Amino acid sequence: AQSVAQPEDQVNVAEGNPLTVKCTYSVSGNPYLFWYVQYPNRGLQFLLKYITGDNLVKGSYGFEAEFNKSQTSFHLKKPSALVSDSALYFCAVRAAVNNAGNMLTFGGGTRLMVKP
Amino acid sequence: GAVVSQHPSWVICKSGTSVKIECRSLDFQATTMFWYRQFPKQSLMLMATSNEGSKATYEQGVEKDKFLINHASLTLSTLTVTSAHPEDSSFYICSALTGQGSYEQYFGPGTRLTVT
Repeated sequence: AQSVAQPEDQVNVAEGNPLTVKCTYSVSGNPYLFWYVQYPNRGLQFLLKYITGDNLVKGSYGFEAEFNKSQTSFHLKKPSALVSDSALYFCAVRAAVNNAGNMLTFGGGTRLMVKP
Repeated sequence: GAVVSQHPSWVICKSGTSVKIECRSLDFQATTMFWYRQFPKQSLMLMATSNEGSKATYEQGVEKDKFLINHASLTLSTLTVTSAHPEDSSFYICSALTGQGSYEQYFGPGTRLTVT
């Protein structure tokens, strides 16, 4: 079975400071990893993904994430947070070789609060 | 590209009635669509996987007779909540894969259902 853990329910950061939202995963074989952002009463917006290749993945809105196979982590980062980054962030995983209908498993979500 | 829409964006219905939610892929053909529900401040829970032209595959604990899913065309899947109860009130989100072998899901904006 595949699983995702986002250990922090909420992350608070001051505007202009770097931010990190943590994600660890468990999956059989190689993972496909995703980050999504959700604003209130909205669906999920895709931020970035890791499929293969460079462990550092750059995505939308200045976000990036680093795939660390030994630590089974895929932490989301941004060098300088904006107030508008305040939202709910979800990490998701699926196995590269997938016999479960391409099913994604989501973490519990982390609320990011960026204060001016 | 890869836009998914949902209709309605919100709906209020009375207990005992049924409500239908539509999920459309606007600029691509989706052989597979997924239906999720999300309770306040919680993560997405997969309800079912819908493949065009075949019966949906429901996750454990999801009542297939209560949550009817129809994927009659490559661009449309519907979720009908039958005999709705207040506990069915939730945010329902669909997603779609862009094709065979695709690994990236595109999400709709969600439908907020309130059952009174």
